[in-house]
Amino acid sequence: EPEVTQTPSHQVTQMGQEVILRCVPISNHLYFYWYRQILGQKVEFLVSFYNNEISEKSEIFDDQFSVERPDGSNFTLKIRSTKLEDSAMYFCASSPTGLSSYEQYFGPGTRLTVT
Amino acid sequence: AQSVTQLDSHVSVSEGTPVLLRCNYSSSYSPSLFWYVQHPNKGLQLLLKYTSAATLVKGINGFEAEFKKSETSFHLTKPSAHMSDAAEYFCVVSPYGGATNKLIFGTGTLLAVQP
Repeated sequence: EPEVTQTPSHQVTQMGQEVILRCVPISNHLYFYWYRQILGQKVEFLVSFYNNEISEKSEIFDDQFSVERPDGSNFTLKIRSTKLEDSAMYFCASSPTGLSSYEQYFGPGTRLTVT
Repeated sequence: AQSVTQLDSHVSVSEGTPVLLRCNYSSSYSPSLFWYVQHPNKGLQLLLKYTSAATLVKGINGFEAEFKKSETSFHLTKPSAHMSDAAEYFCVVSPYGGATNKLIFGTGTLLAVQP
């Protein structure tokens, strides 16, 4: 069964450094998402992406964040200058459509630790 | 604004006894509702979804949920718990009419299953 994959599984970085989290969505899916879960808190929506553009973003997704689909398979989340509060589990998800009735398929997550 | 409230942060049951995980939603429109499960160190897996068809929804691993509009509830049940059901469960709503299908998560319920 096709699945969403994410690399790395765990990333440790120093405050102020740039990180890129990578995701490979399911191949025939058209909508891509990033969510994050700070330890002990709920999963929060960051951004959605369709047709090589951001479709929607939350207030968390400020100028230090960016997303890109550099080729036909990868979907990346870049954090330009990491802060301690960026430490979280980051989940990538994909969906074949943007309809609200359609489920999203999640990857296993990347745990980002900022020291 | 649309939201979900999970009424219990922790639920503990004995193996072989019924499971009830409670969720209430708030939505101006007929929502799409989901239950996702997260096993330790794993990604989020869809258990079941409600999308305005049958109000009793059957999912994987013997789980069910009933959509009750009069009570604005979408509780998750299972007749007989198994040790492998121990995990965190998230009730999720997908807003109708948004730009894209962003998911709004509840705070999660950690289910413990005692032998």
